[in-house]
Amino acid sequence: AQTVTQSQPEMSVQEAETVTLSCTYDTSESNYYLFWYKQPPSRQMILVIRQEAYKQQNATENRFSVNFQKAAKSFSLKISDSQLGDTAMYFCAFMKPSLRGSQGNLIFGKGTKLSVKP
Amino acid sequence: ETGVTQSPTHLIKTRGQQVTLRCSSQSGHNTVSWYQQALGQGPQFIFQYYREEENGRGNFPPRFSGLQFPNYSSELNVNALELDDSALYLCASSAGWAAYNEQFFGPGTRLTVL
Repeated sequence: AQTVTQSQPEMSVQEAETVTLSCTYDTSESNYYLFWYKQPPSRQMILVIRQEAYKQQNATENRFSVNFQKAAKSFSLKISDSQLGDTAMYFCAFMKPSLRGSQGNLIFGKGTKLSVKP
Repeated sequence: ETGVTQSPTHLIKTRGQQVTLRCSSQSGHNTVSWYQQALGQGPQFIFQYYREEENGRGNFPPRFSGLQFPNYSSELNVNALELDDSALYLCASSAGWAAYNEQFFGPGTRLTVL
């Protein structure tokens, strides 16, 4: 079974600085998807960035980028120029390509609570 | 374009009761997935519906059941509520069941079981 581990329950960063959130996962699959989701206090889960395992290039979305190390099964999220609005729970998630009728849904880590301080 | 909506926002029930939670999928989406998020935890997959049929189920007992309607909205039903069912229930809709289809989440329903 696949597992996702986030070893940092809480982190804080000063506004405008850079922070990196860690995630490791365990799978025997060769192809899969990895995601970072943000859940602000409003509770609505928002996709931040995603990576397909067969793509070697690390994904980037504006101030958000990932460091995907497939052999090490590591998928960290870097947030540059942190903003107050980045304050939220961040969840790392895994999904294997699904077959119709089989479970292929998101497997989440326990999350990292990020606080951005002014 | 209307996003994913869920109702009610909050709900309080007592142990042994039954509850129905509702989810309206985003326009153009035919797949709905349900997740349970206990306090301080990441969401856990309950089941998924694709075009009115169950398309996968997580490790939840049969007292968790669901439906998807022709307009692709969905219900989650929980019978014989237990204290441990207290959680935030999230639904997510997507344009298909394949992994490359992004899941868009609703704001959730907070269920408290007393």
